[in-house]
Amino acid sequence: GAVVSQHPSRVICKSGTSVKIECRSLDFQATTMFWYRQFPKQSLMLMATSNEGSKATYEQGVEKDKFLINHASLTLSTLTVTSAHPEDSSFYICSAYTMNEQFFGPGTRLTVL
Amino acid sequence: GENVEQHPSTLSVQEGDSAVIKCTYSDSASNYFPWYKQELGKRPQLIIDIRSNVGEKKDQRIAVTLNKTAKHFSLHITETQPEDSAVYFCAASLYNFNKFYFGSGTKLNVKP
Repeated sequence: GAVVSQHPSRVICKSGTSVKIECRSLDFQATTMFWYRQFPKQSLMLMATSNEGSKATYEQGVEKDKFLINHASLTLSTLTVTSAHPEDSSFYICSAYTMNEQFFGPGTRLTVL
Repeated sequence: GENVEQHPSTLSVQEGDSAVIKCTYSDSASNYFPWYKQELGKRPQLIIDIRSNVGEKKDQRIAVTLNKTAKHFSLHITETQPEDSAVYFCAASLYNFNKFYFGSGTKLNVKP
């Protein structure tokens, strides 16, 4: 199957700093990628749809100025959590759709102190 | 937007028994329904999916049924094994796979 990578896998940062998470499709091109947030023992919550060459589409209740998404190429989307606070601590997962299937990245565990 | 509900939240079965997980969705425009298995600390993996033009699909010990009229779909696992223990998520997709909305998940525990 297709491979999606994420970097970093874990990040710990201080409150008020910004954190960038990268999502890459390694062996295919993805015009659309998705960003999810997953709280412990809970489901995946769709945050936004990342579109190559255009603005991301955010789900209701997700602050676009807080979670900046940039899809600069057909293989890379980035999520930047700006001015992170402890409540932003979570597991962030990206995915990309190809070959009639959605492939997930391994996720990034963000801890904000 | 789409609302996907999933039941039960936890399910314990004895090895060899069957397990059934049920989901409902709200938007009749949804036309693709995948099921994912997520082991602790790992990414979700697609295990089976069904499209709205089909009522049932089977892959070895796993099957999915879809009732479009009632807007619900179910995952059936037969002859469960300890390695089936994981969290299972259903999802519904709108607009030709452009967005996926997930159910709340079911933690399946298969006791040896």
